[in-house]
Amino acid sequence: GESVGLHLPTLSVQEGDNSIINCAYSNSASDYFIWYKQESGKGPQFIIDIRSNMDKRQGQRVTVLLNKTVKHLSLQIAATQPGDSAVYFCAEVPDDKIIFGKGTRLHILP
Amino acid sequence: DSGVTQTPKHLITATGQRVTLRCSPRSGDLSVYWYQQSLDQGLQFLIHYYNGEERAKGNILERFSAQQFPDLHSELNLSSLELGDSALYFCASSASGDSSYGYTFGSGTRLTVV
Repeated sequence: GESVGLHLPTLSVQEGDNSIINCAYSNSASDYFIWYKQESGKGPQFIIDIRSNMDKRQGQRVTVLLNKTVKHLSLQIAATQPGDSAVYFCAEVPDDKIIFGKGTRLHILP
Repeated sequence: DSGVTQTPKHLITATGQRVTLRCSPRSGDLSVYWYQQSLDQGLQFLIHYYNGEERAKGNILERFSAQQFPDLHSELNLSSLELGDSALYFCASSASGDSSYGYTFGSGTRLTVV
């Protein structure tokens, strides 16, 4: 079956610290990867993406790292804020559809 | 507001019934994707339409069907509903026929089957 997954279902981080959310994927044919953020009661929101010809991409306070050798993807959030509290999904695109993992819930501790 | 509109936001219905969920894609987007999100599952891909034609099918039950109309809005029909069909149903749209630039999601329809 489809098997983009996350290592931890829940992650708690102190406000102001950096957060790292990890993801493993299994399809070697995937050449495009996306991180989505889903806040309560809302649909998933695009955060950042990366193509397989890159190993790092930076956005505003977020960085995605791709290690194709071990099929691992991570999302780093700098200086985590209360507004970052959400479920984060990694997704891979091996063909015509996006395959999502089950998500990691990020809790921000005051 | 993402630009993708889903109606209704909430729906409560009885087992055995049939419902229709509606999605209007972002202006200019030709692709519509439907996903199901249950409590214990991630986002499960159901079906993809591009410019009125079915492009790909995922884990969609035979009791479910969808279509995309000439004005590009899409409807997901769920029939003979079971308790296990209770979930969030999301629609997403993209400009192209593939997933190479990600999707924009609507806010979803929460379906509760009682």
